[in-house]
Amino acid sequence: DTAVSQTPKYLVTQMGNDKSIKCEQNLGHDTMYWYKQDSKKFLKIMFSYNNKELIINETVPNRFSPKSPDKAHLNLHINSLELGDSAVYFCASSQEGIPALAFFGQGTRLTVV
Amino acid sequence: AQSVTQLGSHVSVSEGALVLLRCNYSSSVPPYLFWYVQYPNQGLQLLLKYTTGATLVKGINGFEAEFKKSETSFHLTKPSAHMSDAAEYFCAVSEGSNYQLIWGAGTKLIIKP
Repeated sequence: DTAVSQTPKYLVTQMGNDKSIKCEQNLGHDTMYWYKQDSKKFLKIMFSYNNKELIINETVPNRFSPKSPDKAHLNLHINSLELGDSAVYFCASSQEGIPALAFFGQGTRLTVV
Repeated sequence: AQSVTQLGSHVSVSEGALVLLRCNYSSSVPPYLFWYVQYPNQGLQLLLKYTTGATLVKGINGFEAEFKKSETSFHLTKPSAHMSDAAEYFCAVSEGSNYQLIWGAGTKLIIKP
């Protein structure tokens, strides 16, 4: 069974649309993350949730909104998509909020046209 | 501020040859250092990590890395490359377990038959 799974794997959409990326973990972890990997392959933390509470919210546009219905899920909703939002988005989870020990999903490649 | 530099966006080696992936970091505090691997169409996996203690750390799949404080390096090596090692490798640094990771841009390892 996949530990951290993201859907969809690929997402192509037009500017101005609203889209969501779903993430689920079956590891029983209490902390989940969203990372953005830009065109230069650098990974940057966007959000971190611990037990459904937002604990890290880096400087990202407020068009990005994480939603955590329960400990096992952290979805990423993006409003009014822009060309610059094109990137690979990784979901991850860890126990006790230790980012260094996170397990990562396979990534969602978002392309905005 | 911490940063990570991975020399070479692509490294090509022959099957059976030595693998050497370079990582240099900058940190104002004793660093925690990590190597992650991303196989095609899969999520990031922790390969190995250095926190404290022995400076030579062994990871999965025969990889190892040595922390050299004087050189601010944490290069990843494997004595004999295998076709299954073809993947993207990311070096990362943090100030401690509970701190966010700062990532390098990744190095794609290509194995020639």
